[in-house]
Amino acid sequence: GDQVEQSPSALSLHEGTGSALRCNFTTTMRAVQWFRKNSRGSLINLFYLASGTKENGRLKSAFDSKERYSTLHIRDAQLEDSGTYFCAAEAGYNQGKLIFGQGTKLSIKP
Amino acid sequence: DPKIIQKPKYLVAVTGSEKILICEQYLGHNAMYWYRQSAKKPLEFMFSYSYQKLMDNQTASSRFQPQSSKKNHLDLQITALKPDDSATYFCASSQNGASTEVFFGKGTRLTVV
Repeated sequence: GDQVEQSPSALSLHEGTGSALRCNFTTTMRAVQWFRKNSRGSLINLFYLASGTKENGRLKSAFDSKERYSTLHIRDAQLEDSGTYFCAAEAGYNQGKLIFGQGTKLSIKP
Repeated sequence: DPKIIQKPKYLVAVTGSEKILICEQYLGHNAMYWYRQSAKKPLEFMFSYSYQKLMDNQTASSRFQPQSSKKNHLDLQITALKPDDSATYFCASSQNGASTEVFFGKGTRLTVV
């Protein structure tokens, strides 16, 4: 079936540094969302993209439907950015159903 | 101030019993969903409802039955519970059923013993 391949599975960053997470899709997706799961288990909405890029503070996301990928860039990482990040994509033919990636566990070190 | 309320937060059930997971949203959304996350697996889509009508069902078992008594409610009834049903069940909603941002509740963690 349709899959969302998310990488890396785990990432450790020092405060003030940055990196990127990536999701590859096995089929054309209509839209992508990025979430962060906090320590209490809540899914926090970060971005919703149907195309192009969006930026919010130290986070920036891009989505290329044709090339079948999305990225989430984190810059100037802070301790509170720690958590598990998920991408979730909506297939073009199946309205409203999100297919989740496996998640990236991000640890920020002082 | 949570806008998608799930009850209870934790639930322990005996094998063979029946439970209802409650979900109500106060976002004014027309579409609601149930997802499940089993141990070490990504969230998996179960059901989608739009204007209180079933749009998609990806759950093989008829033991899982959504119930929508009001536009902003989508409860999940699970019958004949099995240990494999142990998971965290997430309710979600979006403005409409397609191409709109989806928001999630905090989940109900179900343990079947």
